[in-house]
Amino acid sequence: QVQLQESGPGLVKPSETLSLTCSVSGGSTSGYFWSWIRQPPGKGLEWIAYVYDSGFTNYNPSLRSRVTISVDTSNNQFSLRLSSVTAADTAVYFCARIMSGLAAFDVWGQGTMVSVSS
Amino acid sequence: QSALTQPPSASGSPGQSVTISCTGTSSDVGTYKLVSWYQQHPGKAPKLMIYEVSKRPSGVPDRFSGSKSGNTASLTVSGLQAEDEADYYCTSYAGTNNWVVFGGGTKLTVL
Repeated sequence: QVQLQESGPGLVKPSETLSLTCSVSGGSTSGYFWSWIRQPPGKGLEWIAYVYDSGFTNYNPSLRSRVTISVDTSNNQFSLRLSSVTAADTAVYFCARIMSGLAAFDVWGQGTMVSVSS
Repeated sequence: QSALTQPPSASGSPGQSVTISCTGTSSDVGTYKLVSWYQQHPGKAPKLMIYEVSKRPSGVPDRFSGSKSGNTASLTVSGLQAEDEADYYCTSYAGTNNWVVFGGGTKLTVL
């Protein structure tokens, strides 16, 4: 079955750019929408962005100015970049697959904790 | 503040039923039949339990059921078991711009 694995630095300095990658195994990125979701410590979930295998993207309006999501179908992975980070961006970041047309996340990565601190 | 409103907590004894509400607006829950529910145990990734208001993915017990009336969606867990103790989050499609909005989450305690 499809499995997702997030990777990237666990610590980012304020004002710098957070970069994460989600590797897809047991399946292909082709034909699906892929997403990033985050969860600050002790708080709820927040959708960040999604990307289709064609490169089509959509972003949470509250983060749109700082976020870039992209897909690399040849390497079966997709990525997130979040610029100008602050302590408020400290969170567990999850990657997930979207059920086509249903706005539901059916496969999730285990999550990776990213702290923003100097 | 989350876009969808959930009670912060809910509880029930083993074998009982409990219902968790998720209240949105006519811009999300009230208009679209794209409400999902997720279960999250501490330190784990969320797990999809319900999609399209009331459909269960393969492997999810039929003790979990979903419904919707007006701007409010509900998740009912019947025959409560100890392993059902977790946080539960609802989501709804909210149009092409906002796409998906989350509820604030409900901590379900099995007494």
